[in-house]
Amino acid sequence: EVQLVETGGGLVQPGRSLKLSCVASGFTFNNYWMSWTRQAPGKGLEWVASITNSGGSTYYPDSVKGRFTISRDNAQNTLYLQMNSLRSEDTATYYCTRIGLWVFDYWGQGVMVTVSS
Amino acid sequence: DVLMTQTPVSLPVSLGGQVSISCRSSQSLVHSDGNTYLHWYLQKPGQSPQLLIYRVSNRFSGVPDRFSGSGSGTDFTLKISRVEPEDLGVYYCLQSTHFPYTFGAGTKLELK
Repeated sequence: EVQLVETGGGLVQPGRSLKLSCVASGFTFNNYWMSWTRQAPGKGLEWVASITNSGGSTYYPDSVKGRFTISRDNAQNTLYLQMNSLRSEDTATYYCTRIGLWVFDYWGQGVMVTVSS
Repeated sequence: DVLMTQTPVSLPVSLGGQVSISCRSSQSLVHSDGNTYLHWYLQKPGQSPQLLIYRVSNRFSGVPDRFSGSGSGTDFTLKISRVEPEDLGVYYCLQSTHFPYTFGAGTKLELK
């Protein structure tokens, strides 16, 4: 059974940093691209970042480019999202997602990030 | 960025009924490899989104055949027949043909 478990969320002040982790199990982690997707409270879904299976390439939308960094440790089956210069508009539930068949096929339960002073 | 326009925003339904949700993109979703990367999700209250349909018309593992997807180019439709209580929630379309990947704003399926 595919499982994705996110940790690292919490309350952080604007301008500060936070790092999310996602531990994967139930599949061969280093065979799959991975992503982060977020959902602001009461709002829709927004893709945040993707990384190739080797970690050699990463992709971001303009809204987070230069502030967020996606990375992975294939030996530890773990995906990361380093978030710097956080803004109030980054407040959201962040989901770790597996990319299979060029689609986000499995999602974690999500972790809440609140950016507020 | 590709704009994904979903309609309607809200969709009242009776149990056992049939509904359709539309998703239109601002540009063609046909990839250079010939595939169309348009997908559908359901987010039930308090849960993570779950994949229903991938690449326009392929049902994901365990998804009942009451769900069907169709369309091409820029115009896509999700149909749900014989609606059951567990089908209620918010439906999203997603395009992964072009970066940045973009979602529709969602359609809330609720009981009449």
